[in-house]
Amino acid sequence: AQSVTQLDSQVPVFEEAPVELRCNYSSSVSVYLFWYVQYPNQGLQLLLKYLSGSTLVESINGFEAEFNKSQTSFHLRKPSVHISDTAEYFCAAGGTSYGKLTFGQGTILTVHP
Amino acid sequence: EAEVAQSPRYKITEKSQAVAFWCDPISGHATLYWYRQILGQGPELLVQFQDESVVDDSQLPKDRFSAERLKGVDSTLKIQPAELGDSAMYLCASSLTGAADTQYFGPGTRLTVL
Repeated sequence: AQSVTQLDSQVPVFEEAPVELRCNYSSSVSVYLFWYVQYPNQGLQLLLKYLSGSTLVESINGFEAEFNKSQTSFHLRKPSVHISDTAEYFCAAGGTSYGKLTFGQGTILTVHP
Repeated sequence: EAEVAQSPRYKITEKSQAVAFWCDPISGHATLYWYRQILGQGPELLVQFQDESVVDDSQLPKDRFSAERLKGVDSTLKIQPAELGDSAMYLCASSLTGAADTQYFGPGTRLTVL
């Protein structure tokens, strides 16, 4: 069975500051890892994903995440955040042949001017 | 850009009533998922279809919830009777074949049970 833990429920940060949203997972099988972003009253949008290969994955809007197998982590980082990054972020793990995702509880990122 | 469509966006009902949600996945996507997202939590899978077949409904409360995808395209999720604890966002997602494919989510249906 898989489980995903997001270590922070809320992260407040000032604009242009760096941010890290933490995610740990547990799985007895090979795992795929995802970060999704959810804006108010909207569905989830994929931010980035790790399937295999390079452990550092990047999104088009400046986020990156690093797969760390020894620490079973997949933390999300951005060196300089914008007001528009304010949203809820979900880490998710998948590993079954059918693609079922197990989500973490979410982290609300609030960027202050 | 193709999107997953859901309707209605919002639904208010009284407990013991029946409700139904509709989802139209991205064309060509074989896998369709229904998730329930309770306020303050991450989405939880209710049921997953591969074409018209159910491949995972282990978390679906089958005494009151049902789901179908008759022609392997659009899907309906029904609750009868609704209970107060069913108030949540119901999200539909689709992917090409499942496994490691990206899941694309619809905007969701916000259900409030009074």
